[in-house]
Amino acid sequence: EVQLVESGGGLVKPGGSLRLSCAASGFTFSNAWMSWVRQAPGKGLEWVGRIKSKTDGGTTDYAAPVKGRFTISRDDSKNTLYLQMNSLKTEDTAVYYCRRGYYDSSGYYRDYWGQGTLVTVSS
Amino acid sequence: EIVLTQSPATLSLSPGERATLSCRASQSVSSYLAWYQQKPGQAPRLLIYDASNRATGIPARFSGSGSGTDFTLTISSLEPEDFAVYYCLQRSNWPNTFGQGTKLEIK
Repeated sequence: EVQLVESGGGLVKPGGSLRLSCAASGFTFSNAWMSWVRQAPGKGLEWVGRIKSKTDGGTTDYAAPVKGRFTISRDDSKNTLYLQMNSLKTEDTAVYYCRRGYYDSSGYYRDYWGQGTLVTVSS
Repeated sequence: EIVLTQSPATLSLSPGERATLSCRASQSVSSYLAWYQQKPGQAPRLLIYDASNRATGIPARFSGSGSGTDFTLTISSLEPEDFAVYYCLQRSNWPNTFGQGTKLEIK
């Protein structure tokens, strides 16, 4: 069974930093492209960024609002995805989800999300 | 960045009625359009992928159609558990983008 469990959220002051983790299980993490998606309180969903598998280059892509401030990384030995968030702003306050979406061997699209972790940026 | 515009913002219907939700893209996304359902305090749940394919375990009352820039999610006969917020998502271009959501509420 695929499981994604986020942790590391909390209260941080504007300008501060925080690192989120997403522990993955139930699949071969090293082969997976992984993403972070966030949702501000009472608002819609917003893509944060993604990281490809190392065999596909391991490169990252970010949405414009977080580019240059957030860094996505992975530790395949620990089956863990990370989101390093620096220079945090009040508008970064949101629930942060990690997600995996992929086509399985039968061609069906599979989509898995964690339960989310809340980040609150406030003085 | 591709902008997805969902309409209506809120849809008020009764159980048993048919719901039609729209998602329009600012440029073609081919068929790389998905629909999600989200209930309060929960992660989004994939309903439809690639415009018209039901995800695993999704009831047949949910259907999707469209290609290019105009897409529709139809719920043929609303069940009480269907009242939630619905989002469309395009995976054609990076960054992937979501629509702003349609709230389906009980009339």
